[in-house]
Amino acid sequence: DVKVTQSSRYLVKRTGEKVFLECVQDMDHENMFWYRQDPGLGLRLIYFSYDVKMKEKGDIPEGYSVSREKKERFSLILESASTNQTSMYLCASSLAGTGPEISGNTIYFGEGSWLTVV
Amino acid sequence: SQQGEEDPQALSIQEGENATMNCSYKTSINNLQWYRQNSGRGLVHLILIRSNEREKHSGRLRVTLDTSKKSSSLLITASRAADTASYFCATPPGGSEKLVFGKGTKLTVNP
Repeated sequence: DVKVTQSSRYLVKRTGEKVFLECVQDMDHENMFWYRQDPGLGLRLIYFSYDVKMKEKGDIPEGYSVSREKKERFSLILESASTNQTSMYLCASSLAGTGPEISGNTIYFGEGSWLTVV
Repeated sequence: SQQGEEDPQALSIQEGENATMNCSYKTSINNLQWYRQNSGRGLVHLILIRSNEREKHSGRLRVTLDTSKKSSSLLITASRAADTASYFCATPPGGSEKLVFGKGTKLTVNP
C-alpha cells in the first residue's frame, strides 16, 4: 500500500515563526502536492512538484514555499507564519502520466497536519 | 479555482437508505475521481471513471458520468453508519497531472 507520512499531526506556532511541514512517500511517485483545507472552501492546491527540484504554483502559493531535494520528500515552508495560515494541510503523491495504461492520476493523501498560528 | 462543485453540501439519511451526491465541473476532462474523507483525516480514493465511460461500479458504489452535461453522480447503496464522511469529486483540468477538488458533500448516516 502507498504510504504518505506527514511528520507532524498537530502544531502550534507563533506569528512570524518559520514553519516546516514535512511529507514523505514510499512509493517512488513522481508527483507530490500540498493542499490546505478550510471549512467552506474545500481543498485548495498550494504547490505541486512533478520531479526533484521542480515545482509549480497552485491556486494559493502566496506566503508559502516548497522544497523537493529528494524524490520521496516534499516540504512546505511558511516563511513567516500568520494567523490566516491556521488550517489543515494535506500532503499527497501520485504517479506521473495520465494515459489509460496508468492508474489515472489517483492521488494518495497523508493524514493531514493541523497547524494553529497564534 | 474550483473545478468541481458537489451538490448537496450536506445530506442526512437513515441507515439502509441510498445516498446520491452530484458533481458538476467546468472544463473538459479525461477522468473524474471520487474521494472520501473521514472527519479530521486525509482523503481516500474511492473510484475513478474515465471520460469514455458512462457508469462504473465498485461494491456498494455506483458512479455515473455525463460529459455532455459535465456532471457526475456518486450513489452509495444500502448505506451504513460507517459511510458517514465527506465525499469529494476531483478532476484533472485540461489533462493536467494535478487534481482540483470540489468543496465536498458531508454525508451523515444515522443508525
